[in-house]
Amino acid sequence: QQPVQSPQAVILREGEDAVINCSSSKALYSVHWYRQKHGEAPVFLMILLKGGEQKGHEKISASFNEKKQQSSLYLTASQLSYSGTYFCGTQSTDSWGKLQFGAGTQVVVTP
Amino acid sequence: GAGVSQSPSNKVTEKGKDVELRCDPISGHTALYWYRQRLGQGLEFLIYFQGNSAPDKSGLPSDRFSAERTGESVSTLTIQRTQQEDSAVYLCASSLVSGTSSYEQYFGPGTRLTVT
Repeated sequence: QQPVQSPQAVILREGEDAVINCSSSKALYSVHWYRQKHGEAPVFLMILLKGGEQKGHEKISASFNEKKQQSSLYLTASQLSYSGTYFCGTQSTDSWGKLQFGAGTQVVVTP
Repeated sequence: GAGVSQSPSNKVTEKGKDVELRCDPISGHTALYWYRQRLGQGLEFLIYFQGNSAPDKSGLPSDRFSAERTGESVSTLTIQRTQQEDSAVYLCASSLVSGTSSYEQYFGPGTRLTVT
């Protein structure tokens, strides 16, 4: 089942902060975050694993609430390069290997 | 090293024709994934391979879609009797073993399929 992302879109000025949320109805093993710029392939940002392990870029911050099956991605002091569509992908405990992606959150950072 | 490559980058075909899309994963990546992305939409899971076996084919939309993988290398996604609703970008991704943990997926540039 596809996770639900919110908001659908957000517009920021450079330097502002934003939070993107991802919620699943299934028990999760991991949550992945990717960013896709227009006309390009998605690029890996971070993985959050059940049990607290995180793998990803140092400048990206995210959290994973295992009890609520929710994850949040924090865009802090946004830069123009943060613009793009952010997708969360969830790996449930009963469907190993398969990632279900949310519909995406479009982020626009303006000067 | 080389990333994930896909071919062709663009494919225009007539309704009813068959098409083959190819994916070359990163060397050493045993897991390979196919996704479909319609214009302005999210990533729709199609199938994933662990080595040359496909533990999960649940995302294939119909029996017109099939995929195979040779060893831990190239994969081919075949769409038979294409329909206009098959028009989309087909993305391939690869990762290290996914059987015991979760690893980042590296995406190819995609194949843009247009069915006329």
